[in-house]
Amino acid sequence: GQQLNQSPQSMFIQEGEDVSMNCTSSSIFNTWLWYKQDPGEGPVLLIALYKAGELTSNGRLTAQFGITRKDSFLNISASIPSDVGIYFCAGLYGTSYGKLTFGQGTILTVHP
Amino acid sequence: NAGVTQTPKFQVLKTGQSMTLQCAQDMNHNSMYWYRQDPGMGLRLIYYSASEGTTDKGEVPNGYNVSRLNKREFSLRLESAAPSQTSVYFCASRASGRENEQYFGPGTRLTVT
Repeated sequence: GQQLNQSPQSMFIQEGEDVSMNCTSSSIFNTWLWYKQDPGEGPVLLIALYKAGELTSNGRLTAQFGITRKDSFLNISASIPSDVGIYFCAGLYGTSYGKLTFGQGTILTVHP
Repeated sequence: NAGVTQTPKFQVLKTGQSMTLQCAQDMNHNSMYWYRQDPGMGLRLIYYSASEGTTDKGEVPNGYNVSRLNKREFSLRLESAAPSQTSVYFCASRASGRENEQYFGPGTRLTVT
């Protein structure tokens, strides 16, 4: 089946620093989603991407749908303590009744 | 507007016991999903329901059954719980059409001893 590799697995940064994480796939996708999960909560959708090359921002977050359709990137600028959590990418090929494939997650720790 | 709700939030079972996890959404979404989350493995799809009246297996369906009771509700049943089913379970829903965005509930943390 399709697999997603998400990196890095974890990041420890200082408040104010920028953060980058990415996902790569062995197959092409036509949708990329980025989620954030706080401890003890469900994932919350941050950004949705539907077109190759698309660049979308949500506040300090920016995500891009790779030109090859096999990768996606999420950047967080000027990190703050509440950015702490686990970030997941998820991809979808075709309609597939919305069956998403998830990356393993990036654990982000922000030191004040 | 509560979004996706799940009950219970926590549950401890003994091996061999059965239970049903409940999920409901108030967004009038057609599709609903059950995932399990284990450390270092992201979320894996157990079962999904593309629309009311239909259900299909996902990546890890063994040991589970589901019921799409109506458009709002989608339940997950463990007939004979095993320690390997210790996990956090999430329900999600999605509107039909072009948008593939799924919205998740708060999760049920299940421990099987």
